[in-house]
Amino acid sequence: DTGVSQDPRHKITKRGQNVTFRCDPISEHNRLYWYRQTLGQGPEFLTYFQNEAQLEKSRLLSDRFSAERPKGSFSTLEIQRTEQGDSAMYLCASSLVSLTYGYTFGSGTRLTVV
Amino acid sequence: AQKVTQAQTEISVVEKEDVTLDCVYETRDTTYYLFWYKQPPSGELVFLIRRNSFDEQNEISGRYSWNFQKSTSSFNFTITASQVVDSAVYFCALSGANSKLTFGKGITLSVRP
Repeated sequence: DTGVSQDPRHKITKRGQNVTFRCDPISEHNRLYWYRQTLGQGPEFLTYFQNEAQLEKSRLLSDRFSAERPKGSFSTLEIQRTEQGDSAMYLCASSLVSLTYGYTFGSGTRLTVV
Repeated sequence: AQKVTQAQTEISVVEKEDVTLDCVYETRDTTYYLFWYKQPPSGELVFLIRRNSFDEQNEISGRYSWNFQKSTSSFNFTITASQVVDSAVYFCALSGANSKLTFGKGITLSVRP
């Protein structure tokens, strides 16, 4: 297992378009998290899953954002009708419930909305 | 609510100097974890250390050391004999009962040759 994988690494889209990002966590990890990081800031929590159940969503997450983890393995984050303010790095992380080995982050997907 | 404060925003040192990065946290949870992550220019978050709230022992790993003090809610990070490769953004983070990781705003460390 090579860690948490995110795809794509970079995405440029026009305002108003929909985009979808994918995250493949470490296979043994039952928790999966999405974070957003803007320039000069720390990552901000968006949502997390335990297996296929979405346990919490941040109030930062507008209705245009939706995340799924259909079989408790990979996850997708979709942004509908993108806005320039959505431009950010989207980070995925995974962990065991026990946090025995902490959180492992992927390399992120950098979204630019033009 | 959980909160992590990294009051320093940017630090610049000359190679071989020691540098301490400060972190103060707030939580109502009795069981929690504290973390430090490094984010080099490539962007990936690199895990450095995890500490649980019941373990106040200081830790040393090579040139890195961490000082955890519950009495002052602080978890400071010291780099001894800094090197140019230490230049990065460093984040302190806190995870409590809900497993959600809360980050500070980060400290940009520049180590000049």
